[in-house]
Amino acid sequence: KNEVEQSPQNLTAQEGEFITINCSYSVGISALHWLQQHPGGGIVSLFMLSSGKKKHGRLIATINIQEKHSSLHITASHPRDSAVYICAVRSGGGADGLTFGKGTHLIIQP
Amino acid sequence: ETGVTQSPTHLIKTRGQQVTLRCSSQSGHNTVSWYQQALGQGPQFIFQYYREEENGRGNFPPRFSGLQFPNYSSELNVNALELDDSALYLCASSLPGYTGELFFGEGSRLTVL
Repeated sequence: KNEVEQSPQNLTAQEGEFITINCSYSVGISALHWLQQHPGGGIVSLFMLSSGKKKHGRLIATINIQEKHSSLHITASHPRDSAVYICAVRSGGGADGLTFGKGTHLIIQP
Repeated sequence: ETGVTQSPTHLIKTRGQQVTLRCSSQSGHNTVSWYQQALGQGPQFIFQYYREEENGRGNFPPRFSGLQFPNYSSELNVNALELDDSALYLCASSLPGYTGELFFGEGSRLTVL
């Protein structure tokens, strides 16, 4: 069973700061997802990675398969980035569900 | 807007009752997965359906069951509700295979009294 650890659990930063959220997992994976969850519950998929790096706007996600580690970066953070960011991994084939981290609660203050 | 809709959005049940939650997938997505998220925790995988058949299951008892219909919409049924079943239930649709991006609904928040 894959164990997914995220750090930090809580992060408060000032608008404009560079944000890094980390995710480590214990067993090899086929894919890693970064998700964003706002109050009220809805989850939005930000990235799906199996190797390397992806960028979308101010968000960058990287993954190191050998080290079993991924990071999510937010550049020029804004109060609207305030949300819970969740890392989730798929360990095997398509029928395996995701294993989720507990999430990082991010607050960006103006 | 992900194109995935869930109903009802909120509901309250009492212990021992049964509940049915519904999910309409994004058009063309034939795979749907269900997750339970307790307050303050990350989601937990319940099961996945592909072309109307369950093809993956997490560590949930048999009283959690599901259906997927020919139009790929889906139901989650929970029998003999327990207090610990109180949670946000999320469904996600995708194209098949482990490389498919997931599209989540807004969730159904169940409270069991």
